[in-house]
Amino acid sequence: DVVMTQTPVSLSVSLGGQVSISCRSSQSLVHNNGNTYLSWYLQKPGQSPQLLIYKVSNRFSGISDRFSGSGSGTDFTLKISRVEPDDLGVYYCGQGTQYPYTFGAGTKLELK
Amino acid sequence: VQLVESGGGLVQPGKSLKLSCSASGFTFSSYGMHWIRQAPGKGLDWVAYISSSSGTVYADAVKGRFTISRDNAKNTLYLQLNSLKSEDTAIYYCPRRGSSFDYWGQGVMVTVSS
Repeated sequence: DVVMTQTPVSLSVSLGGQVSISCRSSQSLVHNNGNTYLSWYLQKPGQSPQLLIYKVSNRFSGISDRFSGSGSGTDFTLKISRVEPDDLGVYYCGQGTQYPYTFGAGTKLELK
Repeated sequence: VQLVESGGGLVQPGKSLKLSCSASGFTFSSYGMHWIRQAPGKGLDWVAYISSSSGTVYADAVKGRFTISRDNAKNTLYLQLNSLKSEDTAIYYCPRRGSSFDYWGQGVMVTVSS
């Protein structure tokens, strides 16, 4: 199975600040078809996860351009700029390249 | 797009349960669907996938015990859970396979306990 390692486990940020979350996979996430199926999700307190970024750097419908994804192969990053109160929660990276699909353990974003 | 899970509850170890996921707002028959679960206070755990043509894939932890199926006429996804174990206790979600797991329901709680 592909192991997804997220760092840090938690992050404190001031409103308006910028943060980065790292996600590393134990194997390359480049699919045979050339696509890299690495996504980012946010789970706000008491809610279901929501898709933010898919295929490394594509923002999902309605997602602010304050969220950006980058990376390749096994090393990926989510950046959040101008952090707002509604951005708080747990962020997960997930891979959809190889079954079983797997997720990182999550990064909790809190207010400083 | 709306996904509404139902059918959860408290069940004894070894027993069975059937979850449903009612879909609306999109052409259900054209999309693959997943089940993903989240144990209390834990992360996300992929469970199973069914393609638009009803091909299936399962996580090893549930293979042989869980069955994913769909009824396109009813716009409904199912998950039959048999031989339940305490470690199956979780919120079960049925996200759509669009751009990754693009839409999620509110989830349904399954508690396996004697």
